[in-house]
Amino acid sequence: QITLKESGPTLVKPTQTLTLTCTFSGFSLSSNGVGVGWIRQPPEKALEWIAFVWWNDDKYYSPSLKNRLSITKDTSRNQVVLTMTNMYPADTGTYYCAHRPLSTIPYYFDYWGQGALVTVSS
Amino acid sequence: EIVLTQSPATLSLSPGDGATLSCRASQSVRSLLAWYQQKPGQAPRLLIYDASNRAPGIPARFSGSQSGTDFTLTIASLEPEDFAVYYCQQRSAWPLTFGQGTRLDMK
Repeated sequence: QITLKESGPTLVKPTQTLTLTCTFSGFSLSSNGVGVGWIRQPPEKALEWIAFVWWNDDKYYSPSLKNRLSITKDTSRNQVVLTMTNMYPADTGTYYCAHRPLSTIPYYFDYWGQGALVTVSS
Repeated sequence: EIVLTQSPATLSLSPGDGATLSCRASQSVRSLLAWYQQKPGQAPRLLIYDASNRAPGIPARFSGSQSGTDFTLTIASLEPEDFAVYYCQQRSAWPLTFGQGTRLDMK
């Protein structure tokens, strides 16, 4: 059974750096064809994909956020860490991590964490 | 970046009605498009992958189809639990993109 859970601060100040951790079970990020992504959602707004890492450490970032993001995996701890620098109030929202398989169906985000609400305010 | 445009923004229907939700891609995504359902306070749930394949455990009343860059999610006969927000997402090219969502409201 695959599960994921996000953890990190609920409140950050403008200009600070956000660090979120996705802790997962039921799969290994050292296995071929597996990846974990981060998707965020401002309150009452649409989903926005922001970062992704494959099992082979290939990484992808949203172009609009690329300069502020870093995604890393720790296969021994079954964790993926997202770092976002210089936080703005517009970065307020729920941050989800999700599992995505490449070599088996369904090839999309099939398991999601419960989400972590992050508020950016002074 | 591939832009996905969903329509309508809001759809008001009654249980038992059929629903048709649309997603148009700004360029070809082949068949590499999925549909998700999101209920308030919950994470999205994958419904359809690669345009027309139901994800495991998804009821048969949900179906997907494609005509070129136009994709359709059809819900055959709405159940009360189907009232939610629906998103499309493409995996044809990086960056991955989502549509802006269609809210399915109960009339």
